[in-house]
Amino acid sequence: KNEVEQSPQNLTAQEGEFITINCSYSVGISALHWLQQHPGGGIVSLFMLSSGKKKHGRLIATINIQEKHSSLHITASHPRDSAVYICAVSTGANSKLTFGKGITLSVRP
Amino acid sequence: NAGVMQNPRHLVRRRGQEARLRCSPMKGHSHVYWYRQLPEEGLKFMVYLQKENIIDESGMPKERFSAEFPKEGPSILRIQQVVRGDSAAYFCASSPPPAGANVLTFGAGSRLTVL
Repeated sequence: KNEVEQSPQNLTAQEGEFITINCSYSVGISALHWLQQHPGGGIVSLFMLSSGKKKHGRLIATINIQEKHSSLHITASHPRDSAVYICAVSTGANSKLTFGKGITLSVRP
Repeated sequence: NAGVMQNPRHLVRRRGQEARLRCSPMKGHSHVYWYRQLPEEGLKFMVYLQKENIIDESGMPKERFSAEFPKEGPSILRIQQVVRGDSAAYFCASSPPPAGANVLTFGAGSRLTVL
């Protein structure tokens, strides 16, 4: 069993929809990261969380430490949100990350 | 303030050759991480370095792979005698001091193809 599990594996949405991507982990963590990767492209760090909730523009990330679960929400989704969204955790006093497999999101116009 | 700079962006090598991938962290960042993304697989940690020190190399293959982050100049990931299975995207990320779980800034990646 992977230490970081993401669901669903693939997700298709219509423009304007509210999207939720989930991440569960099985180890104690120091922080959880949400990353975005466009096809053939680089990786952008969206959030780093150790508790509670963070918001940036149309993106909201939440984490429940007791349940070892995090969600990434996208409000008013747009085709440019189409990308792979990767959840990753750090378990020590550094940013050595263990990654989920990522979820491929496709937002149709 | 340039971000994390990786070069080359694309590198083609024949089996048995050497590949050198370079990473210049963001200004003020003293911690460098290398990650590998194999085709159709997720990202995997390789090595964590600070200036002149390898802090954690638990993700590095035991043979042919080495990394350094000298006092001056970029961090270098070196793969000797490349094989087809080394074909992957290699991402470098940096973070500022102090040591801890910090937000990472990733480079655009170096895509290695071994023929």
